[in-house]
Amino acid sequence: SQQGEEDPQALSIQEGENATMNCSYKTSINNLQWYRQNSGRGLVHLILIRSNEREKHSGRLRVTLDTSKKSSSLLITASRAADTASYFCATARSGNTPLVFGKGTRLSVIA
Amino acid sequence: NAGVTQTPKFQVLKTGQSMTLQCAQDMNHNSMYWYRQDPGMGLRLIYYSASEGTTDKGEVPNGYNVSRLNKREFSLRLESAAPSQTSVYFCASRPKKDGVNEQYFGPGTRLTVT
Repeated sequence: SQQGEEDPQALSIQEGENATMNCSYKTSINNLQWYRQNSGRGLVHLILIRSNEREKHSGRLRVTLDTSKKSSSLLITASRAADTASYFCATARSGNTPLVFGKGTRLSVIA
Repeated sequence: NAGVTQTPKFQVLKTGQSMTLQCAQDMNHNSMYWYRQDPGMGLRLIYYSASEGTTDKGEVPNGYNVSRLNKREFSLRLESAAPSQTSVYFCASRPKKDGVNEQYFGPGTRLTVT
């Protein structure tokens, strides 16, 4: 069964606005990763945060992790039409176990 | 580098037919994975190979078999296709067997079983 659950399932915003997506998971983790999937394509890795980290930045992306609440959030600042995609969180229970993916958030950025 | 490649891109099968989905990576990665993605669902793990010579079941292995042919190639076989196996199949690889590292995905194979 899916470990992570993203919220909301779908999000529609105007270009230039910020987009926030949340992920909740059930068991303890070693790390949590966020991936993007453009329509009809494979997933692309965006950012990874380890269980002992609370926040990471990469360009316009900011990820937070709260292990006490078993939740993470992905913030995309100053969104662009090209950010339109599905975003998935994935968790790993240890360093050598496969990733378990959530169902994703569909983000639409309207120009 | 081509990264992770998958063949074919599209396939239509009749119920009961068999086929093999091919996956190859040229990044010298140790671990490889097969997922399926259904509408409104995330990716569900079918089988994985943590390293050359090993394979393990994932969340939804029934109806599938895999072969880790060598370090580069990891194939997925449907022995007797069923309509429930209509899905998009993704192969992925990861650099190391252990440790914290991300996965690299292929472009997917869209399979329809009628």
